[in-house]
Amino acid sequence: GAVVSQHPSRVICKSGTSVKIECRSLDFQATTMFWYRQFPKQSLMLMATSNEGSKATYEQGVEKDKFLINHASLTLSTLTVTSAHPEDSSFYICSARSPSPTQGKGAFFGQGTRLTVV
Amino acid sequence: AQTVTQSQPEMSVQEAETVTLSCTYDTSESDYYLFWYKQPPSRQMILVIRQEAYKQQNATENRFSVNFQKAAKSFSLKISDSQLGDAAMYFCAYRKGNTDKLIFGTGTRLQVFP
Repeated sequence: GAVVSQHPSRVICKSGTSVKIECRSLDFQATTMFWYRQFPKQSLMLMATSNEGSKATYEQGVEKDKFLINHASLTLSTLTVTSAHPEDSSFYICSARSPSPTQGKGAFFGQGTRLTVV
Repeated sequence: AQTVTQSQPEMSVQEAETVTLSCTYDTSESDYYLFWYKQPPSRQMILVIRQEAYKQQNATENRFSVNFQKAAKSFSLKISDSQLGDAAMYFCAYRKGNTDKLIFGTGTRLQVFP
């Protein structure tokens, strides 16, 4: 089945530094990927839609200058948390939908990245 | 705007028994999809089952089945013969037909007791 790989799974960074999270579709091409944020014991909140070869679309309230998204190829999207602060600590998850009809119309998710800013 | 509501923050079931998780949604669209995702302690989101709104027949995947009531905008998940490995957070999700954006409910934590 479709596989989406996210790296790293855990990262700890110092306040003020930047962190890059990668999301790769391993066996399909994804023109669109999605980045979610999940606070403890809460649901997934869509942050932005990553579009291959064009600018990402951010949800209301998400700072585009803080959460930089790059989708340079059909299999890779990156989320960079710039000038991280402790309140950015969270679980970040990416997803992509395989275009294959045999794989259904559900999105496939990466393993998630737990970011801790100290 | 579309919304997804899961009114049960927590549910519990005994192993081998059946449990039903509730989900309601609100939309004015006619073309949409509904999903149940499982998030175990590993935090990996796993697709459990999906339902196309245009299909009247309820989706079934082994021990998992849904009760899709389109008029009532209800989409419940039934887990039969519950297993310890079913313990997880379960999220109901909605997707408009011509988009990829998923809207999630707040989740239901399912505990399975031996």
